[in-house]
Amino acid sequence: DAKTTQPNSMESNEEEPVHLPCNHSTISGTDYIHWYRQLPSQGPEYVIHGLTSNVNNRMASLAIAEDRKSSTLILHRATLRDAAVYYCILRSWYSGGGADGLTFGKGTHLIIQP
Amino acid sequence: DTAVSQTPKYLVTQMGNDKSIKCEQNLGHDTMYWYKQDSKKFLKIMFSYNNKELIINETVPNRFSPKSPDKAHLNLHINSLELGDSAVYFCASSQRSSYNSPLHFGNGTRLTVT
Repeated sequence: DAKTTQPNSMESNEEEPVHLPCNHSTISGTDYIHWYRQLPSQGPEYVIHGLTSNVNNRMASLAIAEDRKSSTLILHRATLRDAAVYYCILRSWYSGGGADGLTFGKGTHLIIQP
Repeated sequence: DTAVSQTPKYLVTQMGNDKSIKCEQNLGHDTMYWYKQDSKKFLKIMFSYNNKELIINETVPNRFSPKSPDKAHLNLHINSLELGDSAVYFCASSQRSSYNSPLHFGNGTRLTVT
């Protein structure tokens, strides 16, 4: 899987939007951009994924740059429960039909201030 | 109902012992995984099982052996435990036939070897 680069940590205030950046300059045409998060003392949790177009779901939005070399996970209104480590992961649709698992990097530790 | 469940949640044991961690998923997925998260919080894939066949083994010592009695279960057996095996072990599942199928993780088993 191609490599991603994320800030080690970010801090935000409760009830404000949060923009979590991810750089993936070596992304290939078959790579989807996935985001997972890991809350304290829990397993990772799927957040969202996309290929080229921006995506929205009940948890977050994913904004993908036109050249696909970067993306931003947007939490529209952060709560204390959103404090977690957020992982940006590239996953090739070509790799075994998705049975290859995921390669996690260091992620971004998101701190939410009340 | 918990989608991916692991038992036990905590496991404390002495060096040299043999132990097992159980994992069950009720999502009907055909692929299951084991991940290890060390003290530095790096998540690394250990095994992937699809339809009871091992399809990934990321250079894990052969003291670790996954056993899958059926599609819904993937247990992890560890022989001759060492201090370095202390970590949190996560089980996960996904549907291989649906690429980009998200991985669903359990809440982990914290293994402490003394």
